Amino acid sequence: KQEVTQIPAALSVPEGENLVLNCSFTDSAIYNLQWFRQDPGKGLTSLLLIQSSQREQTSGRLNASLDKSSGRSTLYIAASQPGDSATYLCAVNQGGSEKLVFGKGTKLTVNP
Amino acid sequence: SAVISQKPSRDICQRGTSLTIQCQVDSQVTMMFWYRQQPGQSLTLIATANQGSEATYESGFVIDKFPISRPNLTFSTLTVSNMSPEDSSIYLCSAYGQGNIQYFGAGTRLSVL
Repeated sequence: KQEVTQIPAALSVPEGENLVLNCSFTDSAIYNLQWFRQDPGKGLTSLLLIQSSQREQTSGRLNASLDKSSGRSTLYIAASQPGDSATYLCAVNQGGSEKLVFGKGTKLTVNP
Repeated sequence: SAVISQKPSRDICQRGTSLTIQCQVDSQVTMMFWYRQQPGQSLTLIATANQGSEATYESGFVIDKFPISRPNLTFSTLTVSNMSPEDSSIYLCSAYGQGNIQYFGAGTRLSVL
């Protein structure tokens, strides 16, 4: 059974810092991995999707990497801003299935 | 992208009653998904809803407790039946859009007294 773990559970940083969020998964037979952002009362917003054949994806100040063989992904946020404060969720799509398996998320607070 | 509208956004319900949550997608989709997010926990898939067939439930979730309708390719409902305080959660619906990206509704925050 696929399990997804995110570390740390919470992170507080001053504005401007670069930071890394970690995600690990137990079964490397994934189809893709998605990083989401969850804001209170606003559901989930997809940030980046990495296919199993890819190593990384970038969007603006965000960079996500994937090491499928070791079961790890990282989300790098450059020059963090208070508006980045949210919970970040990692989810994997198992090969042969449409389902997503989520981690518990990392709650990020960026202090002005 | 896909825009998903979900309602109600929140509700407070009495024990023993039922609540139906509606989910509308702005484009036709084959599958829609219903998730539950209990306080402090990750999202857990309840069921997958296909148009024209019965929903497929995940382990630990049953149709009598969470009946699902999927009358067409843009709409689905989830009913939380005979509610207890343990059902207090955020319920989210989702669907795949272009590029295998899964899009989510804003969620329904349910409190059961």
